[in-house]
This record gives sequence, structure tokens and C-alpha cells, in this order.
Amino acid sequence: GQQLNQSPQSMFIQEGEDVSMNCTSSSIFNTWLWYKQDPGEGPVLLIALYKAGELTSNGRLTAQFGITRKDSFLNISASIPSDVGIYFCAGLVVVDSNYQLIWGAGTKLIIKP
Amino acid sequence: DTAVSQTPKYLVTQMGNDKSIKCEQNLGHDTMYWYKQDSKKFLKIMFSYNNKELIINETVPNRFSPKSPDKAHLNLHINSLELGDSAVYFCASSQDLRTSGLYNEQFFGPGTRLTVL
Repeated sequence: GQQLNQSPQSMFIQEGEDVSMNCTSSSIFNTWLWYKQDPGEGPVLLIALYKAGELTSNGRLTAQFGITRKDSFLNISASIPSDVGIYFCAGLVVVDSNYQLIWGAGTKLIIKP
Repeated sequence: DTAVSQTPKYLVTQMGNDKSIKCEQNLGHDTMYWYKQDSKKFLKIMFSYNNKELIINETVPNRFSPKSPDKAHLNLHINSLELGDSAVYFCASSQDLRTSGLYNEQFFGPGTRLTVL
């Protein structure tokens, strides 16, 4: 079945640094989604990408849908303390006319004081 | 107003007990989900219901039984609780995947932290 490899698993950064994380797969996806989970909360959608090559920003966040449709990355510029949390990628794929949402394992972002 | 709500927020219980977690969404969505997030933070889908009909049932022990009395509610019943059931359980909802297609956003509840002693 489809799998997503999300990396890195965790990141320890200083406030103000830029952050980059990505998801890759051997399968082609139709939609890429990036969610953030704040501590003690459920995930919330940050950015949705719908076509290959698409580059979308949401404030300090930028995400891209890879040209091959097999990968996506998320960048966060000038990180701030409230960026702490777990970031999940998710890919939507159509299999036999059924839509399936596949989740990455998450990237835990920790900001050093 | 809370879009997706779950009760209880915390649940501590003994092995062998039976417990339920309730979920309600007021977004008018047709599809609801249950996810399990373990201590390593992996998010795994357990069940998906569309208009009270089960459409996804991942490999989950049959001690777990979802029940959807109407499309705004999806409750999770767990029988004979085991230590390995300890996790955070998230309810989520979205528009019907089959009609929203690629433009699908899931809205998550705040989670229920289940601890089995």
C-alpha cells in the first residue's frame, strides 16, 4: 500500500531559524496536505496543495507539491515559540475510484530557549 | 461554538473494563473518523463513517466498535480494555470524500487521552 516517509522525525532549533521538513513516497499523490498539531490539541490544516509544482504560502509557512507528485516540503521562516508542535503531511490518492488519505509519521518541532 | 467535540477529555480506567468515547460535530459534515495516536505520536486511522455507514475499517481489534446514531455523532465503544489501548483518540469530520474529492479537509476534535491501568 501507499506509504509516506516524513523527515526529520524531530527538530531542535533556535528561535528565529528557518525550518524545513518533507514527505516523500514511491507513489503518486493527487493532493498534499500539511497539518499542525499543537500540544494537547487535534491537528489543524495549514496548507493544501492540489497540483504538481504548486507553491503555496500561509504567512511564514510555504509548502510545495513536488513536480513528480511523489513529494512535498514545508518551510517555516523565522520560527517563533508558537511554531512548536507536530507537523503532519498527508497525501490524498485515488485507488479504484476510492479516495484514501495517507498520513506521514509527523515532525516534532522543538524550539530551544 | 466547538466544531468537533469529544467527551471525556481524559479517561483513566482499569484493564478489562468497557468504556465509551463520544464525538459530535456541528459542521454539517457527512463523514466522521476515529484516529488513534500512540506515544510515538503516529496518527492511525481506525474507522471512517459516511452518513452512518462504515466505509473504512482498518485492522482494529473487534473490541473496538464505532456507533453512529446519526451523521453528527460517532461514538467509540471499547470492550475489555488492555494496556496497549492507552493512547490519545481523535475524532474528526469532513465533507463526503466521494463528493469533495481532492478538496477535502478534516476537522479534528481535541482528543481523548485514555489511560488503562
